[in-house]
Amino acid sequence: EDQVTQSPEALRLQEGESSSLNCSYTVSGLRGLFWYRQDPGKGPEFLFTLYSAGEEKEKERLKATLTKKESFLHITAPKPEDSATYLCAVPQGGSEKLVFGKGTKLTVNP
Amino acid sequence: DADVTQTPRNRITKTGKRIMLECSQTKGHDRMYWYRQDPGLGLRLIYYSFDVKDINKGEISDGYSVSRQAQAKFSLSLESAIPNQTALYFCATSDLAEDQETQYFGPGTRLLVL
Repeated sequence: EDQVTQSPEALRLQEGESSSLNCSYTVSGLRGLFWYRQDPGKGPEFLFTLYSAGEEKEKERLKATLTKKESFLHITAPKPEDSATYLCAVPQGGSEKLVFGKGTKLTVNP
Repeated sequence: DADVTQTPRNRITKTGKRIMLECSQTKGHDRMYWYRQDPGLGLRLIYYSFDVKDINKGEISDGYSVSRQAQAKFSLSLESAIPNQTALYFCATSDLAEDQETQYFGPGTRLLVL
């Protein structure tokens, strides 16, 4: 069964304290890995798509990387406005449906 | 204006009532989805539609039905609401012409079933 596991479930950082979130997956024939940001009470907002091992994408303080078994979302010098839940998702093998992880709730304290 | 809109944004109803949640999009996408989100369980797919004539069950379709009235409109109905359908509901869209698997989400409907 295709699975997506995110760790940690929650992460508290001080402003400026860099860290990484992890998304590990088991799916046959990866056709992309997606990262979303979700603010409380709002819909997930698309951040990145990664397609192949070794690929990296950046947006402001965020950088996503992909290996054959996992993806990392690196947050460099975070600010309080980066506080949110970060979700990753992969297409279910052989279909167009996305399987989502449960997310990592990031809190950045000033 | 938002590309994907959902109405209502909040709804309180009683057990046994029939309710409808609506989703509209101006992105011109063919594919639309309904998810529910519960604390600790993440996003789970209820139904999806790849075009007006196509409707598919997702992971947790029991107790729900959908209608794709037009390319831009996809409605979710709870025929007889029950308390464990209390959740946050999201509509999403994607487009085969773009990256077909990148989904764009609406703002959500918070549903409370008493």
